[in-house]
Amino acid sequence: GAVVSQHPSRVICKSGTSVKIECRSLDFQATTMFWYRQFPKQSLMLMATSNEGSKATYEQGVEKDKFLINHASLTLSTLTVTSAHPEDSSFYICSARDLVSGDTDTQYFGPGTRLTVL
Amino acid sequence: GQNIDQPTEMTATEGAIVQINCTYQTSGFNGLFWYQQHAGEAPTFLSYNVLDGLEEKGRFSSFLSRSKGYSYLLLKELQMKDSASYLCAAMDSNYQLIWGAGTKLIIKP
Repeated sequence: GAVVSQHPSRVICKSGTSVKIECRSLDFQATTMFWYRQFPKQSLMLMATSNEGSKATYEQGVEKDKFLINHASLTLSTLTVTSAHPEDSSFYICSARDLVSGDTDTQYFGPGTRLTVL
Repeated sequence: GQNIDQPTEMTATEGAIVQINCTYQTSGFNGLFWYQQHAGEAPTFLSYNVLDGLEEKGRFSSFLSRSKGYSYLLLKELQMKDSASYLCAAMDSNYQLIWGAGTKLIIKP
């Protein structure tokens, strides 16, 4: 089945630093990847939709200058949290759609990255 | 390895009851989540089980058996709006989520 990986799985950083999170589709190509933020036992909150070769589409209330998204290839999207602060501490999850399958409803989710900002 | 299995698709009738099963194998276990996802929308949290047993929340109930690596989501009094994908995700010892591929539930009148 389709596999999505994220790296790192866990990161602890100091306030004011930037953190990059990678999302990769391992065995399929994905023109579209999604970045979510999850708080404990709550729904996934969509932050942005990342399209290969074009600018990401951000959801209302998400600062695009703070959460930089780059989708440079059909298998890789990155989320950079710039000048991280403690309130950015969260579980970040990405998902990807399989280009070839044509199933536009199915998303394959990554295992998540737990960010802790001190 | 770690994996999680759930049926690809299920069909049920409005007003009926449906049970969506999920089996998992993980390195350690820190709970199991169920999400509902309508097409084009973000997954909505339905339940979290970490102890054995049944948890009921309105029309939805979730069951967990840790010894069997098994969970199910039970939906009662089905409504047309329950047509969606239902995602099962287990959290391993590193607090990473292992996701099922989702079960597409089709409700017929």
